[in-house]
Amino acid sequence: NAGVTQTPKFRVLKTGQSMTLLCAQDMNHEYMYWYRQDPGMGLRLIHYSVGEGTTAKGEVPDGYNVSRLKKQNFLLGLESAAPSQTSVYFCASSYRPGQATLNTEAFFGQGTRLTVV
Amino acid sequence: QKEVEQDPGPLSVPEGAIVSLNCTYSNSAFQYFMWYRQYSRKGPELLMYTYSSGNKEDGRFTAQVDKSSKYISLFIRDSQPSDSATYLCAMGGRGGSEKLVFGKGTKLTVNP
Repeated sequence: NAGVTQTPKFRVLKTGQSMTLLCAQDMNHEYMYWYRQDPGMGLRLIHYSVGEGTTAKGEVPDGYNVSRLKKQNFLLGLESAAPSQTSVYFCASSYRPGQATLNTEAFFGQGTRLTVV
Repeated sequence: QKEVEQDPGPLSVPEGAIVSLNCTYSNSAFQYFMWYRQYSRKGPELLMYTYSSGNKEDGRFTAQVDKSSKYISLFIRDSQPSDSATYLCAMGGRGGSEKLVFGKGTKLTVNP
């Protein structure tokens, strides 16, 4: 059982380049999330998905797009990277409330360290 | 006023000390309260979960929720160097984890 796996773990981009971060979970979770974590800012929700084929905006969605074509995968795209997007990105997943438990604990991946120069 | 306030620290204590970590919040709709532990260069992992007010104990860890004061605490007894990490509080109301609001985290160092 791998849990939540993020690819890649590290990446350096030049301003204006594009990239996709991949998140995969093997826990049959309905909900998946993308967060960014910056010093002094804590965890901020970028986008999330409550099921296959659905996506929704979180707190800081600008400059990012997401797709959830398969239940186990959640992709985060940066179309034109900017230095302000230098951050550590975390993917997480959880059960839908009532699916298996009232506990909506989020399980996190190990993070992707992205630097935009 | 921010929804969740958490003292960022850093907090440095000797091994064996009792550690108290705290968060305050402003949203009366919050019903469940969590503490996550995050080791350096790792993802957060759930440490304690509490629904509504009261105390919950798990080994050396105790989580307290006081909804009347909008205040939650995590106590660590007999702290160990392996407890050195950043601790994030998180809380939410009805619905899924997309509604979780995280504190900014408190960095704890336990010195041998």
